[in-house]
Amino acid sequence: EPEVTQTPSHQVTQMGQEVILRCVPISNHLYFYWYRQILGQKVEFLVSFYNNEISEKSEIFDDQFSVERPDGSNFTLKIRSTKLEDSAMYFCASSVEQGGTEAFFGQGTRLTVV
Amino acid sequence: QKEVEQNSGPLSVPEGAIASLNCTYSDRGSQSFFWYRQYSGKSPELIMSIYSNGDKEDGRFTAQLNKASQYVSLLIRDSQPSDSATYLCAVNSGGYQKVTFGIGTKLQVIP
Repeated sequence: EPEVTQTPSHQVTQMGQEVILRCVPISNHLYFYWYRQILGQKVEFLVSFYNNEISEKSEIFDDQFSVERPDGSNFTLKIRSTKLEDSAMYFCASSVEQGGTEAFFGQGTRLTVV
Repeated sequence: QKEVEQNSGPLSVPEGAIASLNCTYSDRGSQSFFWYRQYSGKSPELIMSIYSNGDKEDGRFTAQLNKASQYVSLLIRDSQPSDSATYLCAVNSGGYQKVTFGIGTKLQVIP
């Protein structure tokens, strides 16, 4: 069964460093998303990406964040100058159609900023 | 601010019973509704989607939607200990990409 894969599963970084989280969406999906979940809190939308551009972003997704689809399969989230409060699980998801249809999540990357 | 509200629980039910999970949402324009299951430390797993008023059944799961009351529910029949997880209600407002999640209801199925 096709699945969304994310790497790494766990990343530890020092405050102020840049991190790149990687995702391979399901191959026939056209819409890609990043969500995050701080421990014990809600899953929060960060950004959606379609046709090689951001289609929607939340207020969380500020200039510290960027997304890219560097090739035909990978989808990345870059966090510049990480802060302690960026520590969370980051989930990549993809869907065949826009956000009103079913999105499938990857297993997540646990980011710990120390 | 579009909100999705759930009782965080825990909701405890005996094995074999029906578990009833509820969710309300604030945006009347919402068009798509989802239930995800999340085991501790894992990612959300899609269980059900529902788009129109009424019931939708899939195996032991039934999703119910009442747009007039802005209410979505999930029934799990013949609950099993393996159903013990947090159930996330998620809502999409038509025309937008993002899905807004509730805090989730923790379900405990007691053997």
